[in-house]
Amino acid sequence: GEDVEQSLFLSVREGDSSVINCTYTDSSSTYLYWYKQEPGAGLQLLTYIFSNMDMKQDQRLTVLLNKKDKHLSLRIADTQTGDSAIYFCAENLTDKLIFGTGTRLQVFP
Amino acid sequence: DAGVIQSPRHEVTEMGQEVTLRCKPISGHNSLFWYRQTMMRGLELLIYFNNNVPIDDSGMPEDRFSAKMPNASFSTLKIQPSEPRDSAVYFCASSSSRKETQYFGPGTRLLVL
Repeated sequence: GEDVEQSLFLSVREGDSSVINCTYTDSSSTYLYWYKQEPGAGLQLLTYIFSNMDMKQDQRLTVLLNKKDKHLSLRIADTQTGDSAIYFCAENLTDKLIFGTGTRLQVFP
Repeated sequence: DAGVIQSPRHEVTEMGQEVTLRCKPISGHNSLFWYRQTMMRGLELLIYFNNNVPIDDSGMPEDRFSAKMPNASFSTLKIQPSEPRDSAVYFCASSSSRKETQYFGPGTRLLVL
């Protein structure tokens, strides 16, 4: 089936690292994405990784891809209160994106 | 670029009324997607178009929902008649092709009383 799974909640202290995990189902996905949704807003593309890569770093964001286990993670270094949002991973199938349920990240001082 | 534009941003209506949501994709994008987001069901793909042609409408809940894309720069999602369970945030997204990155609009928050 087309299921992308994420844990629902993550709470971290400001300044710590956050790691958001995702498992996907289709090994033929060409791209895997991370989107961020702030309250009352649409989904904003954060970063993506091509399936032939195992890591991508973009400033405070690090994406790790384990194709064997179909596991994707997003690490946010030095997490700030402005990072509080819902984070969605998504896999790109033949002609559409399949989104996970989203992980609500709460950052406390 | 202005990004994906949706209107209205908020809509409050009464059960039984017709609701029309509008979307203007990013210029040059050939694919357009309509999503619905609720607390209970998360983010659901309703329908998507490629080159103005509907490709997959299997996510459309029922006959009360219809979507059109008369040209490359405009799409509508219509609900007639609306019901309270249609209350949700409706997003439009566009991409340069079906397989490429999707860019989302700000959404229309619909409340059906």
